[in-house]
Amino acid sequence: AQSVTQLGSHVSVSEGALVLLRCNYSSSVPPYLFWYVQYPNQGLQLLLKYTSAATLVKGINGFEAEFKKSETSFHLTKPSAHMSDAAEYFCAVTHSGGYQKVTFGIGTKLQVIP
Amino acid sequence: EAGVAQSPRYKIIEKRQSVAFWCNPISGHATLYWYQQILGQGPKLLIQFQNNGVVDDSQLPKDRFSAERLKGVDSTLKIQPAKLEDSAVYLCASSRILGTRANYGYTFGSGTRLTVV
Repeated sequence: AQSVTQLGSHVSVSEGALVLLRCNYSSSVPPYLFWYVQYPNQGLQLLLKYTSAATLVKGINGFEAEFKKSETSFHLTKPSAHMSDAAEYFCAVTHSGGYQKVTFGIGTKLQVIP
Repeated sequence: EAGVAQSPRYKIIEKRQSVAFWCNPISGHATLYWYQQILGQGPKLLIQFQNNGVVDDSQLPKDRFSAERLKGVDSTLKIQPAKLEDSAVYLCASSRILGTRANYGYTFGSGTRLTVV
């Protein structure tokens, strides 16, 4: 069984401030982890992925995430928030065994305040 | 490369009516997924195809939902009859994944927003 928990369904940050979106995973086997972003009325776009290589993963738009096995976490960060970062962010987990089945978290809506 | 195409973008139907959604994945992507995203929730997998075969449909309400992927390319998802709780965004995604190679992210379409009244 696998799951992800996203802490905080809504996060507000000021423009230029640090963005931190939290994700904890549960998986009985080594996980692959993803962060997706969804802008209003659009599908999900892959931001970054962890697939057992480097634990610090850099993605698009200046985002990065660090896989911490000891904390079962995969938090998403960005040093300086931009207005265009306002969107909903989803953490997701899968694994390498068998056919891929990806399980998504409930999402975190990021608001950027000017 | 062209993205995942979905149609229609929006659909409003009355309960007990039928509705169908269409998805054309990225060329060459063997795996196709249909997700249901209810407002305020994360996407939930309804069905997963590998080429034209069903890999996982454990969360598909089979009494009212059906899906097919003829010829292993495009796919249709049908609801008959619709209920109020089916109001959601239906997302189609595809990936290059074959077998156990699970290190590629999906490419999602823009989704179909269904409102059942």
